[in-house]
Amino acid sequence: AQKITQTQPGMFVQEKEAVTLDCTYDTSDPSYGLFWYKQPSSGEMIFLIYQGSYDQQNATEGRYSLNFQKARKSANLVISASQLGDSAMYFCAMREVRNYQLIWGAGTKLIIKP
Amino acid sequence: SAVISQKPSRDICQRGTSLTIQCQVDSQVTMMFWYRQQPGQSLTLIATANQGSEATYESGFVIDKFPISRPNLTFSTLTVSNMSPEDSSIYLCSVGRGAVNTEAFFGQGTRLTVV
Repeated sequence: AQKITQTQPGMFVQEKEAVTLDCTYDTSDPSYGLFWYKQPSSGEMIFLIYQGSYDQQNATEGRYSLNFQKARKSANLVISASQLGDSAMYFCAMREVRNYQLIWGAGTKLIIKP
Repeated sequence: SAVISQKPSRDICQRGTSLTIQCQVDSQVTMMFWYRQQPGQSLTLIATANQGSEATYESGFVIDKFPISRPNLTFSTLTVSNMSPEDSSIYLCSVGRGAVNTEAFFGQGTRLTVV
């Protein structure tokens, strides 16, 4: 069964608008971590934000915030005031406490239009 | 955080040849991971490189095709052997403590094209 689902293969957003990238996950483990990474066309993977399953508050890092809805098993990434440099692939990933490996979603290609 | 230097950043290789990718970390790390990312796809874990022992390979990947070395806690290599066009991918080295609440850090990736 797929553990990380990103339902948006691609998105076009106007510059300066806010963007929400969807991520749902599936786990029976009560302890897990959720991660978002950005991959520009150059290929490197850039860590953006982390949310722990026991964290009471949604994570924020600058323009990035994570809308964590535990009961719905969703961990959507919100980018405020999008910029042209935000154009990239975005991956959601999860790590369960019983498994050190990261489980990756299929990714969402985000294109910011000027 | 960890700074990872991966090289080469890209290469174009003839089929049937082999390419060795190097991954150097600026600090000692227990776990190093090698991923493959085929065009338009997500990341697939090839193997976990363990210092002082054999790498642990994921289903579908074998040591003869992807031999890995891990001579110390800051360095690892991945070799893509007897390459075919299907091996054209981005190969990524990653490090991390493997704990639930710690992110993985990545090298800049190696973009391999096999012709």
